[in-house]
Amino acid sequence: EAQVTQNPRYLITVTGKKLTVTCSQNMNHEYMSWYRQDPGLGLRQIYYSMNVEVTDKGDVPEGYKVSRKEKRNFPLILESPSPNQTSLYFCASSFSIATNEKLFFGSGTQLSVL
Amino acid sequence: AQSVSQHNHHVILSEAASLELGCNYSYGGTVNLFWYVQYPGQHLQLLLKYFSGDPLVKGIKGFEAEFIKSKFSFNLRKPSVQWSDTAEYFCAAGLKGTYKYIFGTGTRLKVLA
Repeated sequence: EAQVTQNPRYLITVTGKKLTVTCSQNMNHEYMSWYRQDPGLGLRQIYYSMNVEVTDKGDVPEGYKVSRKEKRNFPLILESPSPNQTSLYFCASSFSIATNEKLFFGSGTQLSVL
Repeated sequence: AQSVSQHNHHVILSEAASLELGCNYSYGGTVNLFWYVQYPGQHLQLLLKYFSGDPLVKGIKGFEAEFIKSKFSFNLRKPSVQWSDTAEYFCAAGLKGTYKYIFGTGTRLKVLA
């Protein structure tokens, strides 16, 4: 089944403790992206990747890192989480954003930073 | 500045009422337009999309949207809503020539049975 898999689904952590949210897609998509969803602000793009080893900042990249060593995986890394990073995070992928295909979304990760 | 605006943040309707959700975008170039739906506790799913051609597009579950280029709008419509349409709806624009994909702030629709 074609899907985008995010883990974990829920995560509670404390300020400053490094964490990684994993994202994997099985559709051989070139494009992958991370969004955070906050009430009243909609979805805001954190980082995106056009292909392996090619990443770029979205609208709200501060405090986040990403890597794209393999086509299927695009982990989101919070080196030193802070409470303002408490949010619902979504990973998404698309065959090629150059043609603006639709995005396939993961199920989301609800992160709470205490 | 590039943006997508959704003017209705919360909408409450009774079953069988008609629905129209507004969406306007701001971008000097060509866009592809999308409506996504997020049911409670679920991830976003594509409802419909417009790339080119007929400005009236039909999506799943009886939804349709009309692209009006002169108004930079892409409003979502449904003639008769059902309780199961309760969800959050997001308008999005894919900015052609870039890798950017911008979402609106979402509209929460509640349909009363």
